[in-house]
Order: sequence, then structure tokens, then C-alpha cells
Amino acid sequence: EVQLVESGGGLVQPGRSLRLSCAASGFTFDDYAMHWVRQAPGKGLEWVSGISWNGNTIDCADSVKGRFTISRDSAKNSLYLQMNSLRAEDTAFYYCAKDLVELGVARGAFDIWGQGTMVTVSS
Amino acid sequence: EIVLTQSPGTLSLSPGERATLSCRATQSVSSSYLAWYQQKPGQAPRLLIYDASSRATGIPDRFSGSGSGTDFTLIISRLEPEDFAVYYCQQYGSSPRTFGQGTKLEIK
Repeated sequence: EVQLVESGGGLVQPGRSLRLSCAASGFTFDDYAMHWVRQAPGKGLEWVSGISWNGNTIDCADSVKGRFTISRDSAKNSLYLQMNSLRAEDTAFYYCAKDLVELGVARGAFDIWGQGTMVTVSS
Repeated sequence: EIVLTQSPGTLSLSPGERATLSCRATQSVSSSYLAWYQQKPGQAPRLLIYDASSRATGIPDRFSGSGSGTDFTLIISRLEPEDFAVYYCQQYGSSPRTFGQGTKLEIK
């Protein structure tokens, strides 16, 4: 079964850091770009960051640029999001998502999503 | 950044009726890289349509997508009770990969 399981969320004070993890199984992790998408409570979806299948290309939203860093570990079949200098507006459910298209031959929609992990930034 | 505007914000229909959801982009979406997702309360989004008109694996054929350039449409031909949810469009042709604000499809 293709599965993504996020972890690492929780309550954190403004200005502090948190690292999210996403464990992938049931597919060849190394062949697919991966992404983080967040959703503030009661709000819509916001793409946060993406990393290519080989890790060579990274991109992120302006709202998190310079604060959040995406990475991947093929040995652990895992995706990460290092979040620094957290702000109240970063409070959201964070989902990891798998790109539909393998090996970056084209840009892809997000065909597999985890159940998400909640990050709350508050003093 | 490409901004996607979905309409209507809320759509009230009855089971068996046809639903038409719209997604309009501020710039042309490259290669029709436009997707539609369904999200139910407490659940992660589910991919319905990709590349504007291709149904994702396991998606019933009552869901169909169309459009190109800046105007895209999701049609649900005959609503089932499980179709009442929030629907998002997303463009992934350029960065950032933006989402629309969502259309809530509710039971009338």
C-alpha cells in the first residue's frame, strides 16, 4: 500500500524551530518529487515547498523562503521540513504529498497525501 | 505568481443533480497543468483530475475536467451523497504551485 506518514508536529513558541518528517512506503521513493502543503485551520491549501526526485532542485513559497528547508533521505525513504523562526501565521496542518510523475519527466499533480501533522505556533 | 479564483464559493445542490465548478487563472497555465482535488472534513485532499482532463486512478467517470489557458471546469455529472465536500483547483505549471480558495459543495 502506498502510504505517507507525517510526524513531528506540536506546539512551539514563536521564533523557535521544528522539524517535520514524512515516512514513505509502498513506492520507489527515489523516483518521485515530493512536496509539503499546509492548511491553516478552516482555510484553504497552500503549497509550501517541493524537492525533485534526485534532490537537485528545491523550491519554496515566498512566505517561508529563508526560514523553511526541505530535504530528503533516500536511505530512510523520508522527507523532511526544517522550520526555523516560526511565526503565528505558520500555524497549520502540514501535509506531505507525492508527485504523480516519476523522474521529473513532466510536472505532476499530487497523487498521494499523508494525513498531516498539526503545527501550532503560540506563546 | 498565478492566482486561481474558484467560483462559486458555495454551491448548493441535491443528489442526482449536475455540478459545475469553475477555476480561473490570472495567467495562462502552462501545458494545462491544472488539477482538481476533493477534501472532506478531517481528511487529506484527494486527487480527482490532473492535466486538466485526466481522471486519477480510481476516480468515478461522473467526474470530468476540461479547459485550457486560463479557464478550467470540473463537472460532476450526477451527484452522489459522498460528493459533498470542498473542491480545490491547483496549477503546477509554474512556481509557486498555487491553489484556488476552494468551492464548497453542500447538500441543498
